[in-house]
Order: sequence, then structure tokens, then C-alpha cells
Amino acid sequence: DIQMTQSPSSLSASVGDRVIITCRASQNIGFYLNWYRQKPGKAPNLLIYAASTLQSGVPSRFGGSGSGADFTLTISSLQPEDFATYYCQQSFNTPRTFGQGTNLEI
Amino acid sequence: EVQLVESGGGLVKPGGSLRLSCAASGFTFTNAWMSWVRQGPGKGLEWVGHIKSRRDGATTDYAGPVKGRFTISRDDSKNTLYLHMNSLKTEDTAMYFCAKRCTNGVCPYYHAMDVWGQGTTVTVSS
Repeated sequence: DIQMTQSPSSLSASVGDRVIITCRASQNIGFYLNWYRQKPGKAPNLLIYAASTLQSGVPSRFGGSGSGADFTLTISSLQPEDFATYYCQQSFNTPRTFGQGTNLEI
Repeated sequence: EVQLVESGGGLVKPGGSLRLSCAASGFTFTNAWMSWVRQGPGKGLEWVGHIKSRRDGATTDYAGPVKGRFTISRDDSKNTLYLHMNSLKTEDTAMYFCAKRCTNGVCPYYHAMDVWGQGTTVTVSS
């Protein structure tokens, strides 16, 4: 199975800050990397697919980059609703493993 | 409105069985690849498995910890996805989400999940 490792596991920031979350795969996965945000007590929602393509309806302050084994999620200016947990997921093969999550706190 | 609604969760003893359902509406269910994802208490997301659309063969695939114990099925006439869980273990305790593979543009090739249900809770305990 492909292992996905996110860093940091938790992060403290303020409204308006720019934050970067990284995700590393245990092997080359090309561009088969998706990002999700999960607010407390809610289901995840898709932010980015194919490493850098913004899902329809997702604000442009979210950006993704990377290929191969190293990826980043950037939030350019944190809004109150962005304080949540973020997960990367590889879709190169099955099982479609997730990273352990990054908890973004105020 | 595109919607997924899970049901069927509850308390079950180790070794027991349970069937979860996921009712879909607002999209063409018969063409959708569907997945189950779970989240243990205070833990991260874990992909459980998926089922392809009927036109793609309706084949299934599972994560290692559930292979041989869980079965995903679908009834396209009822727009409903199922997760049949047998030989349940305490470590299967989790919130179970169903999710739909995205269909816009090239997104399907990347198997991202764009619609999720609210989840149903399964507790395995004696």
C-alpha cells in the first residue's frame, strides 16, 4: 500500500495568514493526489484534485502543487471557516490511502 | 440537490453483522462509482472500498483490514449503495461515510470524491 505522510500534523495560525501543508507519498504517484477539508463534525469536502485543479465552487485562496511524491496545499489568506482538518489522498491505485491529517487551529 | 444519506448504523457485538445503506438523489446514480470511507473516533479518514458503475462492470475493491469481511453492493433501481459488514471487530467502530466519485471534466480519472453523506455511526462493543 502507498503510505501518505502529511506535515505538520497540527498548525496554529491566524485569520489572514498564509499556510502551507505538505504531503509526501511513499512512491511516485504522478498527479494522482486529492485534497479535502473536514470541518468538525462534518463530512469532508473536496478542495483540489489532480494535485492542482481547484474543484468547482472552491475559493481561489486554495492552491495545490506538486507531482511525483511531494505535494503542497497552500491557503493564501486564512478565513474563519478554514480552521479545520485537511487530508491528502492518493488515487494512483487502491487502496486509496489518506494522509493522517493536518489540524489547522486558531 | 445532489445528496447522499446513510443509515443503518448502530451498536453491535464483536463477531456480529450489520448492513449500512446510502440513499442517493439528485444525480444519475447508475453511472456513478461509489465509495465507503470510515473515520474512527478521533482518528483520520480510512478508505474502505468502492464499487464501479454497472457499465464499468460493477466490480469492487477493498482495503486490507476489511477484505473478506465487508461487501459493497448497489441497487441501481433503488438508487442505493450498501455496505454489508460481517465478523465485526472493535476496531471497526467508526463513522461510515458514503461518497460519490466526481464526474466533471477529467476529475473522474483522479477518483476524487465530490459528494459525501453525513455519515452513520457503527459501534462494535460487547
